[in-house]
Amino acid sequence: QKEVEQNSGPLSVPEGAIASLNCTYSDRGSQSFFWYRQYSGKSPELIMSIYSNGDKEDGRFTAQLNKASQYVSLLIRDSQPSDSATYLCAVNPTGYSTLTFGKGTMLLVSP
Amino acid sequence: EAGVTQFPSHSVIEKGQTVTLRCDPISGHDNLYWYRRVMGKEIKFLLHFVKESKQDESGMPNNRFLAERTGGTYSTLKVQPAELEDSGVYFCASSQAYDLDRVNEKLFFGSGTQLSVL
Repeated sequence: QKEVEQNSGPLSVPEGAIASLNCTYSDRGSQSFFWYRQYSGKSPELIMSIYSNGDKEDGRFTAQLNKASQYVSLLIRDSQPSDSATYLCAVNPTGYSTLTFGKGTMLLVSP
Repeated sequence: EAGVTQFPSHSVIEKGQTVTLRCDPISGHDNLYWYRRVMGKEIKFLLHFVKESKQDESGMPNNRFLAERTGGTYSTLKVQPAELEDSGVYFCASSQAYDLDRVNEKLFFGSGTQLSVL
């Protein structure tokens, strides 16, 4: 069973703070990792993908990957109320052509 | 460019009835996926089409679920007969390439169909 674990939250941060979202995965051979944002009642939207160890930055978002620890994180700098959503971690397990998702972490950014 | 569209957005049916969900992928996307999210659980994979062929149907819960993609364009997912535990949000997704490990290959999701079986 390929698993992806996330803290369900909610994670509450004040506006302007850094939000840190974490994810662990069980399949050591996984090669690609994704963060999706989902607003209530909407489709999951890809915001970051990462394939190699280290950090990847895109605007206010930074994804971090540590394959040895089987750990992926997403940092959101200068959090805005519009960032309030559920953040889904997804992994493409070895030998599969699809994604395995975590349950998601709800982020609440208060003005 | 139109995204992945799903119809209906909501469906309320009684146990034992039949429901058919439809998905139109992004034009030109050969890969089409069905996922489901049951309340309180993670989004789970159901099935993957490459064009009109079923590439992987390992996630289909049982033989009450039938997915088709005739002609390799839109897809339908039929549940017959529906049971209470089938309630949830059914998502469709599409991608251009088969290999999701390819850098910058993306999986695009539709807004989902909320299915409620009473």
